[in-house]
Amino acid sequence: GAVVSQHPSRVICKSGTSVKIECRSLDFQATTMFWYRQFPKQSLMLMATSNEGSKATYEQGVEKDKFLINHASLTLSTLTVTSAHPEDSSFYICSARVGPSRNTEAFFGQGTRLTVV
Amino acid sequence: DQQVKQNSPSLSVQEGRISILNCDYTNSMFDYFLWYKKYPAEGPTFLISISSIKDKNEDGRFTVFLNKSAKHLSLHIVPSQPGDSAVYFCAATKNGGSARQLTFGSGTQLTVLP
Repeated sequence: GAVVSQHPSRVICKSGTSVKIECRSLDFQATTMFWYRQFPKQSLMLMATSNEGSKATYEQGVEKDKFLINHASLTLSTLTVTSAHPEDSSFYICSARVGPSRNTEAFFGQGTRLTVV
Repeated sequence: DQQVKQNSPSLSVQEGRISILNCDYTNSMFDYFLWYKKYPAEGPTFLISISSIKDKNEDGRFTVFLNKSAKHLSLHIVPSQPGDSAVYFCAATKNGGSARQLTFGSGTQLTVLP
């Protein structure tokens, strides 16, 4: 299957600092990538849809000024958690869809465990 | 409002037996359903999917059944193997635009006992 690489896999940062998470599609071009957040023992919650060359579409309740998404190329989307607080500690996962076909499954990155201390 | 529900947070099955994971949905606009498997600290891995025009799809040990009238789908794993132990997420999507966003259930932790 298609490969989606997410980096870093783990990051610990101090409260008030910003953290950038990268999501790369390694062997295909992804015009659309998705960012999810998973709380312990809960489902993956869609945060935003990242579209190449345009602004991301955020889900209701997600602060777009806090979670900055940039999709500068067809193979890279970044999520920056700005002025991180301990409550931002979570598991963040990106995914990308192969091609525009409506029935293609999404491939996921390995996730990033963010801990804000 | 949870549109995709997995009411069993956990399931234990003996190796070699059948594992049945259930999923219910409320949005009748959903027309494509997927199952993902997830290990701790990793991203989900696609397992199998089914379109709403079908009621069954089979791939090796994995079979997904869809009952549209009941808005219910299930994943059958037979025979179950210890390596199948993971969290299984049911996901649904509907046509509309090109984004094809997935709505996930809360997951079921499957433990296959040797």
